[in-house]
Amino acid sequence: DAKTTQPNSMESNEEEPVHLPCNHSTISGTDYIHWYRQLPSQGPEYVIHGLTSNVNNRMASLAIAEDRKSSTLILHRATLRDAAVYYCILRIIQGAQKLVFGQGTRLTINP
Amino acid sequence: NAGVTQTPKFRILKIGQSMTLQCTQDMNHNYMYWYRQDPGMGLKLIYYSVGAGITDKGEVPNGYNVSRSTTEDFPLRLELAAPSQTSVYFCASSYNLEKPEQYFGPGTRLTVT
Repeated sequence: DAKTTQPNSMESNEEEPVHLPCNHSTISGTDYIHWYRQLPSQGPEYVIHGLTSNVNNRMASLAIAEDRKSSTLILHRATLRDAAVYYCILRIIQGAQKLVFGQGTRLTINP
Repeated sequence: NAGVTQTPKFRILKIGQSMTLQCTQDMNHNYMYWYRQDPGMGLKLIYYSVGAGITDKGEVPNGYNVSRSTTEDFPLRLELAAPSQTSVYFCASSYNLEKPEQYFGPGTRLTVT
């Protein structure tokens, strides 16, 4: 499975935008980019996914570089409830949609 | 909808004991998964199922078994518990390739001593 690289930790302030980067230089044409987050003592929660085009939903936006070797998860206005570990994962389109989790980015939100 | 439910929430096992972790989903999802998460680490896939009667190994299947007799249930069996199986176990489900987002249960915290 293609690998992703994320910073171990990031910090931001409440009500400000947060940009979480992810590098995936070995991505193949059939790999979807998925983001999940895990709040303390909970199971992971789906955030967003995309293939080539930028994507928006009620939780976040996903900006994908033109060469697809990197992507950025954007939280438009962070709240204290957004403090979590964020995982960037590549998923092949075929098969059982297996997710391979790395160590993710621990996001701290300051009040 | 309750989503994905897991029982028990916590369990302490002695080395060599066996147990079954239960997982049920009420979303009519085809795909179901078992992951384990060791402290400070990401999740690792143990087993998965693409439908009733079909299961396959993930990244770390040794020491575990699964079955999928119904769409709703996907139990995980530990036959001879070892300290290395101390972990938090998460069950997840997803609908199909067009709706790939996985929904996770709250987890089972297992300690083997």
